[in-house]
Amino acid sequence: QKEVEQDPGPLSVPEGAIVSLNCTYSNSAFQYFMWYRQYSRKGPELLMYTYSSGNKEDGRFTAQVDKSSKYISLFIRDSQPSDSATYLCAMSADSGGSNYKLTFGKGTLLTVNP
Amino acid sequence: NAGVTQTPKFRVLKTGQSMTLLCAQDMNHEYMYWYRQDPGMGLRLIHYSVGEGTTAKGEVPDGYNVSRLKKQNFLLGLESAAPSQTSVYFCASSYRAGIAGGITDTQYFGPGTRLTVL
Repeated sequence: QKEVEQDPGPLSVPEGAIVSLNCTYSNSAFQYFMWYRQYSRKGPELLMYTYSSGNKEDGRFTAQVDKSSKYISLFIRDSQPSDSATYLCAMSADSGGSNYKLTFGKGTLLTVNP
Repeated sequence: NAGVTQTPKFRVLKTGQSMTLLCAQDMNHEYMYWYRQDPGMGLRLIHYSVGEGTTAKGEVPDGYNVSRLKKQNFLLGLESAAPSQTSVYFCASSYRAGIAGGITDTQYFGPGTRLTVL
């Protein structure tokens, strides 16, 4: 079983839809959770991060972490064509220092149709 | 402020050839990373550096070498390229590694180098 599982999609939704992107993980030591957005032929960029369990909201984006289920989600409200990208989840067990490493999911390709 | 830049953007090699990928950052970041991204595999860490003159192995280091002679540059070398090294290579940098004071330290990624080994 891979440490981080992410459905690669592709996911296609109409403009204005609510999008739910998810990752599951097996390593119970993970406590820092991130979502990166990657536009086609570009490098990933950090979108949101959360620590431990709970929700975090930033505009149209909400990140949720359920450590008991080892499950994280990213919700996009009122999705826009500009949200079309690959979304990667990433996780780490350590808070910093030379042991800090991110484990990435494979990414989910999202297309928002006008 | 260019952020993280990578040279070259594209390259085609024959099996057995060598090459060096250059990553440069102008943000005075301590930490730098090399990743490869393959379809169905996600991003995987090859090597990383926690400061000038230091390097360390990541998840998939075999077949690659790195050097960090200057703080702003991180070089990735392929001594004898193999078709299995066909990939998109991303460099990233961060001021420090991880999260401190509840604030995550962002890894800033370059635009990538598309490498094909025939």
